[in-house]
Amino acid sequence: QVQLQGSGPGLVKPSETLSLTCTVSGGSINTYYWSWIRQPPGKGLEWIGYIDYSGITIYSPSLKSRVTISLDTSKNQFSLRLSSVTAADTAVYYCARDTITRGMDVWGQGTTVTVSS
Amino acid sequence: EIVLTQSPGTLSLSPGERATLSCRASQSASSSYLAWYQHKPGQAPRLLIYGASSRATGIPDRFSGSGSGTDFTLTISRLEPEDFAVYYCQQYGISPSFGQGTKLEI
Repeated sequence: QVQLQGSGPGLVKPSETLSLTCTVSGGSINTYYWSWIRQPPGKGLEWIGYIDYSGITIYSPSLKSRVTISLDTSKNQFSLRLSSVTAADTAVYYCARDTITRGMDVWGQGTTVTVSS
Repeated sequence: EIVLTQSPGTLSLSPGERATLSCRASQSASSSYLAWYQHKPGQAPRLLIYGASSRATGIPDRFSGSGSGTDFTLTISRLEPEDFAVYYCQQYGISPSFGQGTKLEI
C-alpha cells in the first residue's frame, strides 16, 4: 500500500525559499505523476504543479515563476521549492500521487507552513 | 485556462436526504479528466470520482458522478453523517485546477 509522508520546516521567513519533501513508501516513484497542492487558511485547494516519472514538470501559471518540483528516485522522494515567499504562501501543503486519468488517489497528511518573520 | 465554478457554495441538508453538487467549467473539459474529492478538516482530501463518473476504490455507491462538456454533477443519494464535508471538483486541462468547493453542512 503506497503511503506519502510530507516533511519540511513549519516556519519560513518572508522572501526566503520554502522547501518541502514528500517520501513515497510501499511503491516506486518511477511510475505515475507526483503533485503538490496547497490550502491557505480559510480557502480552497490550489494545485501547484506536478512532475512525472521522467522528470517532466507542469506548474500552475500563477506560481510558475517561483516553483520548482524535482524527483530523487534514489530516495523515492519528490520535492517542492517555492521562492520569494510572502504571507500569502502560508498554507497546508499536500503531496499526492497523481494518475491524471484516475485522479489523485493517494495523499500525504499535509504539512503546515507559516510564512512569518 | 479552464476555471471551475461550483454551486452552491454551501448546501444545508439532513442525513438521509439527497445532495446534488454542481461543477461548471468555463470551457469544455474532457470527461476523462474530471475528478471529485471530499475534504474534511484536519484530513487529507479523498478521491471520490474520476473520469467524471467512475468511483474510486472503496467509495460507497451512494456517491455518483455525471456530466460532460461544461456541466458536471456529484450526487450523494442518501446522506450519512460522515458525508458532511467540503467537496471539490478538479480538471486536467493544459493547467489543472480545482473548483472553489461546496461545503455540505448539516
